[in-house]
Amino acid sequence: AQKVTQAQTEISVVEKEDVTLDCVYETRDTTYYLFWYKQPPSGELVFLIRRNSFDEQNEISGRYSWNFQKSTSSFNFTITASQVVDSAVYFCALSDLIQGAQKLVFGQGTRLTINP
Amino acid sequence: GAGVSQSPSNKVTEKGKDVELRCDPISGHTALYWYRQSLGQGLEFLIYFQGNSAPDKSGLPSDRFSAERTGGSVSTLTIQRTQQEDSAVYLCASSLRVGQNTGELFFGEGSRLTVL
Repeated sequence: AQKVTQAQTEISVVEKEDVTLDCVYETRDTTYYLFWYKQPPSGELVFLIRRNSFDEQNEISGRYSWNFQKSTSSFNFTITASQVVDSAVYFCALSDLIQGAQKLVFGQGTRLTINP
Repeated sequence: GAGVSQSPSNKVTEKGKDVELRCDPISGHTALYWYRQSLGQGLEFLIYFQGNSAPDKSGLPSDRFSAERTGGSVSTLTIQRTQQEDSAVYLCASSLRVGQNTGELFFGEGSRLTVL
């Protein structure tokens, strides 16, 4: 069965600090996708990134970066120079492909608080 | 609007009553998903619809839960004889068929259900 573990329930840092959110996954599939979503206080989940299992190249988007390591089944997310607006709950998710759709399995989420 | 629309945004009901939650996906999206987010918990998959294929109901927690999607667009999630443990935020998402996009699921703001 697929499983996503986000061991960090809550993280609190001071603005401008770098912070890394951990994500470890389990799957028997050889082809799969990994996601990160942000859930701000408004409640609507916002897509951040999708990575497929064949692409282990790290990705950087502005202050955000993702480190995908198949050897350790991890897909960690780092925010550099954090800002108060980064405060949210962040979810890591794993999907397989069924009939052209994607059934996501989510981790429990990490609540990130950036203090001014 | 152009996003996923859910109604009602908040619903308070008494134990034993039936409730219906509605989701209006993004126009043209063939896949529609329902997830449940209980307080302090991650997102739990309930059901998804993909085009004209039979829905994947594997996540529905009991036979009190059902969902339908009419005309390949609007979906209704029905909970019969509600129980207090049904209290949660019910999130709907939609997406294009995989292969046509980044794999992003677009989420609505959710329907918060409180069962007294």
